[in-house]
Amino acid sequence: NAGVTQTPKFQVLKTGQSMTLQCAQDMNHEYMSWYRQDPGMGLRLIHYSVGAGITDQGEVPNGYNVSRSTTEDFPLRLLSAAPSQTSVYFCASCREGGPQYFGPGTRLLVL
Amino acid sequence: RKEVEQDPGPFNVPEGATVAFNCTYSNSASQSFFWYRQDCRKEPKLLMSVYSSGNEDGRFTAQLNRASQYISLLIRDSKLSDSATYLCVLQKANSGYALNFGKGTSLLVTP
Repeated sequence: NAGVTQTPKFQVLKTGQSMTLQCAQDMNHEYMSWYRQDPGMGLRLIHYSVGAGITDQGEVPNGYNVSRSTTEDFPLRLLSAAPSQTSVYFCASCREGGPQYFGPGTRLLVL
Repeated sequence: RKEVEQDPGPFNVPEGATVAFNCTYSNSASQSFFWYRQDCRKEPKLLMSVYSSGNEDGRFTAQLNRASQYISLLIRDSKLSDSATYLCVLQKANSGYALNFGKGTSLLVTP
């Protein structure tokens, strides 16, 4: 199993640009989530999904959209990037009662 | 070799037991160390930072051995509510904000 994969690893955007952060898992986990990580803030939940076709907002959802058309994929879309979205983004997945598996992260810089 | 390695467990222990988790890291430039606790469908939460001198927070004791490049977490008098995944997390010097996560150790405390 590849586990949880994320692409790209690094990205630089200009303010106002849009992009999609990809996340995929091959463990047939029903739960997937996106976090952003900033200094002094720890990890903060952006959006999560409890299964294909079901998503919900986390602590900091503004400026991001998600969809879950398949069990495997959970892309995160930035509609109009802002400097405040400069962060490291982690995708994660798990099965009920099981450990959480994180992706390697995407480092995003918005200029 | 992965930068951060943890025994995934699961560790199944009875209430009141003492349990210890170890984490090894390969990058000697790692600067900051943390233990996170994470429950499925919840965001990982910082349990405690880990200092070279060792530190304690109630029933939890964390230690860092830079020479051997390992970190430990000791939980005394385990409670049912301690059941979770414990993430070993490293932050490298000059890495910006990125954290390196271990894949987590699953703990199940049983009555």
